[in-house]
Amino acid sequence: AQKITQTQPGMFVQEKEAVTLDCTYDTSDQSYGLFWYKQPSSGEMIFLIYQGSYDEQNATEGRYSLNFQKARKSANLVISASQLGDSAMYFCAMREGRTGFQKLVFGTGTRLLVSP
Amino acid sequence: GAVVSQHPSRVICKSGTSVKIECRSLDFQATTMFWYRQFPKQSLMLMATSNEGSKATYEQGVEKDKFLINHASLTLSTLTVTSAHPEDSSFYICSAVQGSETQYFGPGTRLLVL
Repeated sequence: AQKITQTQPGMFVQEKEAVTLDCTYDTSDQSYGLFWYKQPSSGEMIFLIYQGSYDEQNATEGRYSLNFQKARKSANLVISASQLGDSAMYFCAMREGRTGFQKLVFGTGTRLLVSP
Repeated sequence: GAVVSQHPSRVICKSGTSVKIECRSLDFQATTMFWYRQFPKQSLMLMATSNEGSKATYEQGVEKDKFLINHASLTLSTLTVTSAHPEDSSFYICSAVQGSETQYFGPGTRLLVL
């Protein structure tokens, strides 16, 4: 079974609009971490945001927020006020187990295109 | 955030040659480094986990004699693709962890084997 599922292969949004990128996960661990990374066409993976399974509040980092719904096992990324530079691939990833065991499993990614 | 570099950024080589890729953590000491492979339009697949001073742990299906990993110091890990063949052409990307939750990635290396 897929550990991380990103059902949207591509998303379009107009500049200055908000967009939600979906991510669902599958784990039996009580302790885990969820990450979002951005990969521009140049290839580097840019860390955006992190949510721990025990964090009670949704993570936020600037224009990025993570809509964490533990019961539904979803960790959607919300980008507010989209910018042209947000056009990229976005990957959701999960770390299972306790802190210190850092192995990540990635989803298949969502390509976001921001139009003027 | 922490800075991780990779060298070279791209390499073209003939079939049968070996290629070494370096991954460095520039402003922190990395307890663990990871090597990933990414085919076009696909996700990252973990190849191996590298800890300083010990043997790397390879994922299932990854040939350790084909992909040699050396983690010589807390700031440097190298991946050597031995006797490279065209099917080894891919994007190789490393990441490093300081001990926090977050993996910081290098810019990646595009390998093309002719």
